[in-house]
Amino acid sequence: AQKITQTQPGMFVQEKEAVTLDCTYDTSDQSYGLFWYKQPSSGEMIFLIYQGSYDEQNATEGRYSLNFQKARKSANLVISASQLGDSAMYFCAMREGFSGGYQKVTFGTGTKLQVIP
Amino acid sequence: GAVVSQHPSRVICKSGTSVKIECRSLDFQATTMFWYRQFPKQSLMLMATSNEGSKATYEQGVEKDKFLINHASLTLSTLTVTSAHPEDSSFYICSASLTPGTEERNIQYFGAGTRLSVL
Repeated sequence: AQKITQTQPGMFVQEKEAVTLDCTYDTSDQSYGLFWYKQPSSGEMIFLIYQGSYDEQNATEGRYSLNFQKARKSANLVISASQLGDSAMYFCAMREGFSGGYQKVTFGTGTKLQVIP
Repeated sequence: GAVVSQHPSRVICKSGTSVKIECRSLDFQATTMFWYRQFPKQSLMLMATSNEGSKATYEQGVEKDKFLINHASLTLSTLTVTSAHPEDSSFYICSASLTPGTEERNIQYFGAGTRLSVL
């Protein structure tokens, strides 16, 4: 079974509108972390936002917010007021467990977002 | 903060040659760095976890003799693709996390990637 599922291979959004990118995850761990990264065409992976499994509040970072629904195992990324520069691939990722050391991070297949002027 | 530098950004080489890719954490110490490979329009696949001062941990199916990893200091890890062949052509990207205990979130900060083309 896929640990991270992104069901939207591609999305379009009008400039200045909000858009939601879907992500569901599968884990039996009680402690885990969820991440969203942006990958422009240049290739670098840019960290956007993090949500810990024990965080009670949804994470927010500027125009990015993470809609965390633990019972449904979903961690959707919401981008408000889309800008042309938001056009990129977006990856959802999960780190399972935390023992004070490093744990592997698993990435989803990504969603290509295109912002339309 | 948390800047990771990766060089070169692009390399074209002949089949049979070896290519070295460097990954540096510029403003923090990284006990552990990660090396990923990404095929066009696909996700990142973890190749190996690089630990400073010890042997790297390779993922299943990754040839350790093919992809040599050295993590000689807290700020530098290198990936050497030995005797490269056209099927090794890919996008290679490294990441680093802050030392455990200083960043519970263990966010991985990525380099800009290296696009390898083997002729």
